Amino acid sequence: GAVVSQHPSWVICKSGTSVKIECRSLDFQATTMFWYRQFPKQSLMLMATSNEGSKATYEQGVEKDKFLINHASLTLSTLTVTSAHPEDSSFYICSASPRTGVVREQYFGPGTRLTVT
Amino acid sequence: KNEVEQSPQNLTAQEGEFITINCSYSVGISALHWLQQHPGGGIVSLFMLSSGKKKHGRLIATINIQEKHSSLHITASHPRDSAVYICAVDGYGGSQGNLIFGKGTKLSVKP
Repeated sequence: GAVVSQHPSWVICKSGTSVKIECRSLDFQATTMFWYRQFPKQSLMLMATSNEGSKATYEQGVEKDKFLINHASLTLSTLTVTSAHPEDSSFYICSASPRTGVVREQYFGPGTRLTVT
Repeated sequence: KNEVEQSPQNLTAQEGEFITINCSYSVGISALHWLQQHPGGGIVSLFMLSSGKKKHGRLIATINIQEKHSSLHITASHPRDSAVYICAVDGYGGSQGNLIFGKGTKLSVKP
């Protein structure tokens, strides 16, 4: 149980285009989803937290107009990288938690590797 | 000083060896996670601990809340265990679920 999927697993796009990444909880309802970014040889860094039906909370330094997050249902959250630039090339990972409040369980997706040319 | 420190940073072992990876943290936590990241990047949640010890197959995780320390043990290591092992803590306060990650321990198990 507690499986989280991401789609696509990798994507290459041209500079200036937008890319959408999906994160799905397959066998549980995810009231909270997290989006992380990982640059080569670095730790995961939290970008934003989203709760179903409400606006995402972005971490300091993350542009909310560039990284659009939608958590429209209890099993799906999407991250759209708008007007992508080469510096946005990174590994994007989502995680999902089945409950709000004192969040403890987090189940990670396999990640999406974005390359912007 | 990082809030989550892992040691060693790199570890090479021979197949069959017993392996220990350590994690120390400096903040109060509600839970500690051990994650495994394979070369392709995908992350697998291994354990979530708030006290004591958990075992799953050849993997054992322990945590000492008073000493703010956790260990991940791998018994009878195998080349397929080669990966980066990441410790992450879920601290009190701040954003809910905002995990603080260690830098990871890169394990290489040689046949």
